[in-house]
Amino acid sequence: EVQLVESGGGLVQPGGSLKLSCAASGFVFSGSALHWVRQASGKGLEWVGRIETKSNNYATSYTPSVEGRFTVFRDESKNTAYLQMNSLKIEDTAVYYCTRQGGGVPSWDWGQGTLVIVSS
Amino acid sequence: EIVLTQSPGTLSLSPGERATLSCRASQSISSRYLAWYQQKVGQAPRLLIYGASSRATGIPDRFSGGGSGTDFTLTIGRLEPEDFAVYYCQQYGSSPLTFGGGTKVEIK
Repeated sequence: EVQLVESGGGLVQPGGSLKLSCAASGFVFSGSALHWVRQASGKGLEWVGRIETKSNNYATSYTPSVEGRFTVFRDESKNTAYLQMNSLKIEDTAVYYCTRQGGGVPSWDWGQGTLVIVSS
Repeated sequence: EIVLTQSPGTLSLSPGERATLSCRASQSISSRYLAWYQQKVGQAPRLLIYGASSRATGIPDRFSGGGSGTDFTLTIGRLEPEDFAVYYCQQYGSSPLTFGGGTKVEIK
């Protein structure tokens, strides 16, 4: 069974940093691209970014609103993906989901999410 | 960036009725790279449809997807009580990937 478990959320001040983790199990981690999707309270889904596999040179891409502030990376030895968030803004407040790409579909499996609150 | 517009915003129907949800793209989506997700209150979304018309694993056949180019639809043949939820479309043919704003299917 595929499992994606996010952690690292919490309260952070504007301008601060936070690193989210996504611990994966139940599939061949090295063979799957991973994505981050967020959802502000009562709002819709927003794709944040992704990291490809080693065979695709660990390529990354991001939505424009986080480009230059957020970085997605992965540690194959720990079967874990990360989302490093810097220069956080109030509008980054959301539940952040980690998703596994399968069959070319970006979000075949989802984690349960971790809540990030950016507030002073 | 491809903008996806979902309509209607809310659909009020009774169990047993047929639901038709629309997703319109601001430009053509290549190779039908269009997915649909269902989200229930307090839960993570789950994949229903990919490639515009293929059902994901374990999805009942009352869910069907169609369309191409800029116009896509999700049809729920006969609504079951567990189908009342919010539905999102997503295009994954070009970066940045984008979602529609969602359609809430509520009990009438």
